[in-house]
Amino acid sequence: GAGVSQSPSNKVTEKGKDVELRCDPISGHTALYWYRQSLGQGLEFLIYFQGNSAPDKSGLPSDRFSAERTGGSVSTLTIQRTQQEDSAVYLCASSLGLAVETQYFGPGTRLLVL
Amino acid sequence: EDQVTQSPEALRLQEGESSSLNCSYTVSGLRGLFWYRQDPGKGPEFLFTLYSAGEEKEKERLKATLTKKESFLHITAPKPEDSATYLCAVRPNAGNMLTFGGGTRLMVKP
Repeated sequence: GAGVSQSPSNKVTEKGKDVELRCDPISGHTALYWYRQSLGQGLEFLIYFQGNSAPDKSGLPSDRFSAERTGGSVSTLTIQRTQQEDSAVYLCASSLGLAVETQYFGPGTRLLVL
Repeated sequence: EDQVTQSPEALRLQEGESSSLNCSYTVSGLRGLFWYRQDPGKGPEFLFTLYSAGEEKEKERLKATLTKKESFLHITAPKPEDSATYLCAVRPNAGNMLTFGGGTRLMVKP
């Protein structure tokens, strides 16, 4: 079946611009996660959504980062006023739900801030 | 704070030369330990989940084992197509996210 999809695959932007990254989880998966992977930092948790519950935003590095999930499916991660240190691969993962832990990852969006 | 340390950072093997990758962890109550494979330019691909000490899981040339402090990913008679970065992650009982180690970059030469 279809896996997690993310768009765009690559994004180049100028410092100070806003960007939106999209994630389509596996159909039927109620939990959705965003992670960031950068050189020297490894994979870092950003935010997670479960059903209609309030999201866990504990990993967001600053208030320039926000995310929403519409209709319990597609999610958008928004970075406002991008900085060069935001350059990284942004990975989305989904799972069936809290009781089933395995997270399946998408291919990622490679963001480069010039 | 949950911590995961993987060693070595990089490992070069000849085809057929078996070895093991290490994942040491500290976590406030382990809900699960996960192994992923990541190829360049792609997202992590799920391999195994281990839940309790003593548990073992196998898939083709890979076998994952778990103790109370560490996990090993044993690779038997590796092939060049096994070359990738292998990531270890833990999920605590209280928490929803995974904490990842830095990964081991495996290179298998023909």
